[in-house]
Order: sequence, then structure tokens, then C-alpha cells
Amino acid sequence: SAVISQKPSRDICQRGTSLTIQCQVDSQVTMMFWYRQQPGQSLTLIATANQGSEATYESGFVIDKFPISRPNLTFSTLTVSNMSPEDSSIYLCSVAGGTAYNYGYTFGSGTRLTVV
Amino acid sequence: AQSVTQPDIHITVSEGASLELRCNYSYGATPYLFWYVQSPGQGLQLLLKYFSGDTLVQGIKGFEAEFKRSQSSFNLRKPSVHWSDAAEYFCAVAGGADGLTFGKGTHLIIQP
Repeated sequence: SAVISQKPSRDICQRGTSLTIQCQVDSQVTMMFWYRQQPGQSLTLIATANQGSEATYESGFVIDKFPISRPNLTFSTLTVSNMSPEDSSIYLCSVAGGTAYNYGYTFGSGTRLTVV
Repeated sequence: AQSVTQPDIHITVSEGASLELRCNYSYGATPYLFWYVQSPGQGLQLLLKYFSGDTLVQGIKGFEAEFKRSQSSFNLRKPSVHWSDAAEYFCAVAGGADGLTFGKGTHLIIQP
């Protein structure tokens, strides 16, 4: 399965600022996914990022708040913009591997974000 | 839209006892089903997955799960738990090329 490097692993940010999270995969993948895990909660899909097209956002998430880039088949970034304490969460990227996703979904180790 | 229900928020099991974590899903077609484990401060690790074929799937760390279409369930089992199994367990469903929809998770506590 794919190996994902995600950085930063954690950060403490001031409210009103923005943070860009990077996700690097060791193989080419068609689809990359970004999730949010709020404290003590489950994971929620933010958006799906395809190379060469606009990201597809889930209900409740908007591009102005969470802009995503996908410049090639091995890399993506998620920016958390104009942060507030409510954005404090773990953000994870994920890829689906193999034909018909036979290899399941692999996750990066996550970025633990604290907004103060 | 698909959904996943994990009815047990917390489960406490004695070390060496058997374990069953429940998962019910809602999806119109044949689902892709997954169980992940998340240990404190750790990332998500895939335990097992079901796409098609044999409805009893074997995973890592001695876990297995059984897909029951009639009950829309995909329960996770382990015959004998170890203290290191204490973690958060998530059931998830994928529809085709979509990302995953997760249940709320079950927190597993192991008693000595």
C-alpha cells in the first residue's frame, strides 16, 4: 500500500491566520482525500482532490475556508484559512490504492492543529 | 447517502475475553466496508476490509469481521483480547469512488 508523508505533524497557530498542510505520497494516485477529526470525534470527509480538476467539497465545507491544491499525482495541500479555535482538530490526508480500491484507504499520520 | 452506526460508544472487556464490536451501515448498493483502529496519539491503521466474496474476512492482529447483508452489519470480532488492543475502533463504508464515511467509533477498554 502507499506510504503517505504529512507535515507538519502539529502546529499551534494564532486565530485569523492560515496554515497549509502538505501530503506527499510515494506513488501516483488518482484520488486524494482530506479529513478532519475534531477532539474526541470521528473523522469527517472534507473534500476529494483529483489532479487537474477542482476539489469536490462535502456539505458544510467550502473552498474559501479549506482551499486545496493538487498539482500532480503524488502531492496535495490543504489550507485552513482565517482560523478560529473551532478549527482545532487533527487533519488527515488519505489515498485509495489499487484497482477498484482493492488495497483499501491509507491515511497519513495527521496534522494536529491547535488554534489559540 | 451512506451512513454508519456504531451503537456502542464504550466497551470494557477483560483481558483474554472475546470481543465483538458492532457496526451497521446504510448504503444502496454493495458497500465497501472497513474497520480501522486508532491508538492514542497514533494514526489510523486498517484492520480489515470487505469488497466482495467470502463474507467472513480475516484481518491483522487476530481480528475478523463478518458481512451480513440481511442485517446491514459488519461486526468486528476477536477471540481473545490483549491489553494492547485498547484503542478507538472505527467502522467505515465507501461507495464506489467516494471517500469514506465513518461511524462515531467505539472506545475499547481492556481490564486486567
